[in-house]
Formats: sequence, C-alpha cells, structure tokens
Amino acid sequence: DVKVTQSSRYLVKRTGEKVFLECVQDMDHENMFWYRQDPGLGLRLIYFSYDVKMKEKGDIPEGYSVSREKKERFSLILESASTNQTSMYLCASSIDRGGYGYTFGSGTRLTVV
Amino acid sequence: GQQVMQIPQYQHVQEGEDFTTYCNSSTTLSNIQWYKQRPGGHPVFLIQLVKSGEVKKQKRLTFQFGEAKKNSSLHITATQTTDVGTYFCAGGNNDMRFGAGTRLTVKP
Repeated sequence: DVKVTQSSRYLVKRTGEKVFLECVQDMDHENMFWYRQDPGLGLRLIYFSYDVKMKEKGDIPEGYSVSREKKERFSLILESASTNQTSMYLCASSIDRGGYGYTFGSGTRLTVV
Repeated sequence: GQQVMQIPQYQHVQEGEDFTTYCNSSTTLSNIQWYKQRPGGHPVFLIQLVKSGEVKKQKRLTFQFGEAKKNSSLHITATQTTDVGTYFCAGGNNDMRFGAGTRLTVKP
C-alpha cells in the first residue's frame, strides 16, 4: 500500500515563527498536494506539484510556500505563522495526472498561538 | 478554481435508515471522486466516476454521476454504525476540489 507520511501529528507554534510541514510518499507518485481542513469548509487546496521542482498555486496559497526538491518529498512552509493558519493540514499524493484517487497522510494539526 | 458544493452538511439517521449526500458543480467535471473520513482520521478514497450517467456500487453504497457530469450522489442503504464519518466528493481534472463534506451520524 502507498504510504504518505507527515512528520508531525500535532504542532504548536508561536505567531511569526517559520513553520515547516514535511510530507513523504513511498510509491514514486508524480503528484503531491497540500490541503487545509477547517470545519464547515472541507478541504481547500493550498499548493500542488506534478513534478520535482515544480509547483502550482491552489485556491488559498497566500501565506504559504512549498518545496519539492525530491520526488518523494513535498514540504509546506509557513513563512510567518499567524493565528488564522491554525488548522489541520493534509498532504496527499496520486499516481499521475488523470484523476486517480488520492492517498492522504494522517494530517498535522497545527496550532498557532 | 472550480467549486464543488455538497449538501447536506449534517445528517443524523437511525441505524437501518438510508442516507444520501449530493454534490454539485457549476462546471462540467472530468471525473468525480468520493472519500470517507472517519472521526479523527484522514480522508480515504472510495471510488471514482468518469462517464456521464455512470452508476457504481460497493456493497450498500451506490454512487451516481449525472448525465451532464455536473452532479453526483452517494447513497447508503440501511446504514450501520460503521458508516459514521464525513463523506466528501471531489471534482476536477487532477487538482481536485473538495466539497465541504456531509457528516453522518448513526444512532444505534
């Protein structure tokens, strides 16, 4: 089975800190995605990547950046954390373009205080 | 980006009753996917529909894709307590947009 691993299950950070959320997948998937999940809003797409060193903005990229230096790793960066970025962050991967089902990581619940 | 609307937001049923959640898009979707998220868990892929008018079944779950490929539904027959969770639809090409989800609770 494909495994998508997010480095932390829970994180507490202070306002203004730079935050790195790491995601690693072990099945050579081309595509990787970052979503945030908030009650009543579902999953909102932050950034995605179809290939190494490639990135595309999703619907809510403001305040975030990403890095994909290796195919298996996709990092989400909060340059200066703010309280409105308190959320559940979910990383996902899929095999290729064509709408195959996503495999999600377990999520990182980030609290910014 | 395209938007996918999902209703209802919540549904509470008695065990044994049926349940349906609906998904609508203002634009034609190349495909629609359905996911289930158990409480405290992460979304798990259930199924993908691609063809206009497509119907797929997984045991007590029936998934439909509308003729115009703008809407979809998930119907659960005779719910069980194991069906509890939030059901999400997602539509798009490869960068999928998710609906807000329908949270299902089942009273034994």
